Amino acid sequence: EIVLTQSPGTLSLSPGERATLSCRASESITRTSLAWYQQKPGQAPSLLIYGASNRATGTPDRFSAGGSGTDFTLSISRLEPGDFAVYYCQHYGSAPPMYTFGQGTKLEIK
Amino acid sequence: QVHLQESGPGLLKPSQTLSLTCTVSGASITSDDYYWSWIRQPPGKGLEWIGNIYDSGHTDFNPSLKSRVSISVDTSKNQFSLNLTSVIAADTAVYFCARDGGHYCSGATCFNIDAFQIWGHGTRVTVSS
Repeated sequence: EIVLTQSPGTLSLSPGERATLSCRASESITRTSLAWYQQKPGQAPSLLIYGASNRATGTPDRFSAGGSGTDFTLSISRLEPGDFAVYYCQHYGSAPPMYTFGQGTKLEIK
Repeated sequence: QVHLQESGPGLLKPSQTLSLTCTVSGASITSDDYYWSWIRQPPGKGLEWIGNIYDSGHTDFNPSLKSRVSISVDTSKNQFSLNLTSVIAADTAVYFCARDGGHYCSGATCFNIDAFQIWGHGTRVTVSS
């Protein structure tokens, strides 16, 4: 089973700054099956990125993502107040079929 | 626009069976392109995929829950349902239904979208004696 480890656990930044979040897989994964979500308190997660680097409908271009193999990143430029939330990475593996989430990174206002 | 809405009891006693339903609007649950999942989130913790149903009846489950989980579909009501048997306190969580699937293309190659694009708002389930 693939394990996704996100770092840091908490990231404290100020509006206007740039955030870089990491997601590391326990073994090499297919980048087309790596996604990122944003979750605000009391809400369902919202898809930001699929296929490691493709922005979902409605995701601002301040959000960018990439990576390959075991290391993937989500970057947010020019942080806005609404960006402070918890971010999860997620992987789908087909043998056996299984969706796995990282433990999350909390992005908080400094 | 596609909407998912969870429903079901919010309070259960240990050993009971959790039954939740997800009502889908704006899309047909029989569509070949999409997969319909249940995902849960214990209080203050991360997300855990429970299982899914697709192709009007095929199912896959998280191995850690497989022995207690079943998922079914009611195409006449455009709904799919989760049953989790022998619940314990650790099953206390917000339960979400979600949809993934579809495709995207990069150049001449197309790939599945293995990500949850649509989520319900979630329903809180508490297991307590």
